[in-house]
Amino acid sequence: EVQLVESGGGLVQPGGSLRLSCAASGFTFSGYAMSWVRQAPGKGLEWVSAIPGSGGGTYYADSVKGRFTISRDNSKNTLFLQMNSLRAEDAAVYYCAKGTTVTTRSFDYWGQGTLVTVSS
Amino acid sequence: EIVLTQSPGTLSLSPGERATLSCRASQSVSSSYLAWYQKKPGQAPRLLIYGASSRATGIPDRFSGSGSGTDFTLTISRLEPEDFAVYYCQQYGSSPLYTFGQGTKLEIK
Repeated sequence: EVQLVESGGGLVQPGGSLRLSCAASGFTFSGYAMSWVRQAPGKGLEWVSAIPGSGGGTYYADSVKGRFTISRDNSKNTLFLQMNSLRAEDAAVYYCAKGTTVTTRSFDYWGQGTLVTVSS
Repeated sequence: EIVLTQSPGTLSLSPGERATLSCRASQSVSSSYLAWYQKKPGQAPRLLIYGASSRATGIPDRFSGSGSGTDFTLTISRLEPEDFAVYYCQQYGSSPLYTFGQGTKLEIK
């Protein structure tokens, strides 16, 4: 059974940093691209960042480029999101999502999310 | 940048009725890269349809997807009480890599 479990969310002041983690199990982690997707309170889904299974190459939404860094440790089946210079508008539930094949490019499994609150 | 516009914003229907949700892209989208998700409060999104028309594992056959180019549709043939939720379309492209529509809220009439 595929499982994705996020952790690391919490309350942080504007300008602060957080590191999110996503522990994966039930599939060959290194074989799939992974993404972070967020949902701000009362808003829709927003893709944040993606990384291929090999870890080579990273992709970001313009809203987080230069502030967030995605990475993965395939030996530990774990995905990370380092978030720096956090802003009020970064407050959201952050989901990690498993990519499907390269021919369909959707997200077939999601974690339950971790809440990030940015407030002074 | 490809923008996905979903309509209507809110759809009020009764159980047993048919729901038709629209997703329109600002530029042509490969059908292979168009997906639909269901989102309920406090739950993770759930993949319903990928490749515009293929049902994901475990998805009931009352859910179907269609369309090509810039116009895509999610149809729920007979609404069950558990189908009332927010639905999002999503496409894979260049920049940004992935885009979601703003969502359609399906509410009980």
